[in-house]
Amino acid sequence: DIQMTQSPSTLSASVGDRVTIACRASQSISDSLAWYQQRPGKAPKLLIYKASDLESGVPSRFSGSGSGTEFTLTISSLQPDDFAIYHCQQYRTYPWTFGQGTKVEIK
Amino acid sequence: QVQLVESGGGVVQPGTSLRLSCAASGFTFSDYRMHWVRQAPGKGLEWLAAVSEDGSNGFYADSVKGRFTISRDNSKGTLYLQMDSLKTDDKAIYYCARIKTRGTGDAFDIWGQGTMVTVSS
Repeated sequence: DIQMTQSPSTLSASVGDRVTIACRASQSISDSLAWYQQRPGKAPKLLIYKASDLESGVPSRFSGSGSGTEFTLTISSLQPDDFAIYHCQQYRTYPWTFGQGTKVEIK
Repeated sequence: QVQLVESGGGVVQPGTSLRLSCAASGFTFSDYRMHWVRQAPGKGLEWLAAVSEDGSNGFYADSVKGRFTISRDNSKGTLYLQMDSLKTDDKAIYYCARIKTRGTGDAFDIWGQGTMVTVSS
């Protein structure tokens, strides 16, 4: 199985900060990577697919990059709505796997 | 609008069975591969299973292979997850999800609201 490892597990930041979350795959997944945002008590919401494509309706402050085994999610200027948990996920090979999640909390 | 609505969760004892349903609306259900994902309390997301567009093929995580069965009824626009031999570790919110495009591999763009399953004696 492909293991997905996110870092950090928790990130403390302030409104307006630039935030970067990393996701590493245990083997190459090309660009078959998605990023999701999950707020408390809610289902995940797709932000980025194909490693760097922005989902329709998602603010442009969110961006994704990477390919192969190393990926990043960047929030260019953190907004109050962005305090949440972020998950990466590979859909290259079954079983599809998620990272353990990164909690972005208020500093 | 495009929507997925899960049902069927509840509290059950270890070793028993439960069937979850996911009703789809707002899109051509039979065009899309469908999936189940779960989230244990305070934990991350875990992909569980996928079913092909016509229901002929199922794909499973090792953690549920042989105990859970994914299926679909395209005439009803409904996805199912039959869960047998439930364990306390199966306690989680169960989500159904659709991938963005027709085909085998893509991100989940539509999620249900989730249904809670508790396995406890």
